[in-house]
Amino acid sequence: DADVTQTPRNRITKTGKRIMLECSQTKGHDRMYWYRQDPGLGLRLIYYSFDVKDINKGEISDGYSVSRQAQAKFSLSLESAIPNQTALYFCATSEGGQGSTDTQYFGPGTRLTVL
Amino acid sequence: LAKTTQPISMDSYEGQEVNITCSHNNIATNDYITWYQQFPSQGPRFIIQGYKTKVTNEVASLFIPADRKSSTLSLPRVSLSDTAVYYCLVGDNNKLSFGAGTTVTVRA
Repeated sequence: DADVTQTPRNRITKTGKRIMLECSQTKGHDRMYWYRQDPGLGLRLIYYSFDVKDINKGEISDGYSVSRQAQAKFSLSLESAIPNQTALYFCATSEGGQGSTDTQYFGPGTRLTVL
Repeated sequence: LAKTTQPISMDSYEGQEVNITCSHNNIATNDYITWYQQFPSQGPRFIIQGYKTKVTNEVASLFIPADRKSSTLSLPRVSLSDTAVYYCLVGDNNKLSFGAGTTVTVRA
């Protein structure tokens, strides 16, 4: 969905480096999410934010941190990258307030390789 | 969080109907059932959502029995471009888990 953008789209880095992945949205949604996808494992939730002042851990938050700079921006950081963080990372947004499973809109993904 | 179970993979041919059943025995009263589609190297895309009975849109139909312990996504007359991974989601928005999904392969 072009309303959700992620930068960079591809990144190769070395073990121990600090990496930041950025997500921006123009949908005006309050909720934003970060997922990672590994081959054959589906998507796993890293962090989510329901508004600018709200940050919550997902099922695999260890080794990651996030920052919600504004309603439209949600960044994911790897403080000290390690090889098993090599994955495809997706940002998503949702409007919220629509029952327990409101529709999420995903960005194009960032492919991260940690050597 | 309602756990979902769906087949790992399904094969089909162009023009056939594909039905993917998802089991969610612990679905809560307020939970909706949502299906997403993901093509390789792209983010998942919403297909359809329902609460009970039947929902139909331009892409698919969703059948939900009265007990809501399962749901079936129906893709009518599939084409090669329907080859993708399909995820069934049920439960708390706070802890969404996409699982491994069902890989549908459509052959000519």
